[in-house]
Amino acid sequence: DGGITQSPKYLFRKEGQNVTLSCEQNLNHDAMYWYRQDPGQGLRLIYYSQIVNDFQKGDIAEGYSVSREKKESFPLTVTSAQKNPTAFYLCATGANVLTFGAGSRLTVL
Amino acid sequence: AQSVTQPDIHITVSEGASLELRCNYSYGATPYLFWYVQSPGQGLQLLLKYFSGDTLVQGIKGFEAEFKRSQSSFNLRKPSVHWSDAAEYFCAVVPISSGSARQLTFGSGTQLTVLP
Repeated sequence: DGGITQSPKYLFRKEGQNVTLSCEQNLNHDAMYWYRQDPGQGLRLIYYSQIVNDFQKGDIAEGYSVSREKKESFPLTVTSAQKNPTAFYLCATGANVLTFGAGSRLTVL
Repeated sequence: AQSVTQPDIHITVSEGASLELRCNYSYGATPYLFWYVQSPGQGLQLLLKYFSGDTLVQGIKGFEAEFKRSQSSFNLRKPSVHWSDAAEYFCAVVPISSGSARQLTFGSGTQLTVLP
């Protein structure tokens, strides 16, 4: 059953901690994306990767980092440098039509 | 710069009533156009897309959208709303010149409430 899986669904972080969100896809897509969603706003692109071992900054990359060591996986690390990390994070894959994961909600305590 | 506007932040309709959600875009040329739906706490699901051809596009769950070049609009419609349609709806565009989701721009969304 092809799809895209994000984990964890909910995540809590203390001030000063880094946290990593997982994104795995078995759709055999080259491109993967991370978006941030805040209430009342559309999705904003954090990072994207069009091929293994390559990734590019999106519109709001500051305070985030990614890796793309495998085609199936594109983890996102929210670092302590991200000043306002509480948000809903969405991973997606596809060329021009995106398939989204179910999202991860990060809350800073 | 490209932009997508969804003028209605929140819409409330009664079950069985018709629905129209508005989307306007600002672009140099006709882009690819999409509508996505998001249930609470979930990811986005594609409802329909317009790339070219017939300007009236049919999607899943009984939704349709009409592309009007002269108005730079891509409004989403449904003849009879069901309670399960309550969700947030996002319009999105990407330039035909790239076609890449890297340049996908989302509107800010319209929250739909359905009254019994």
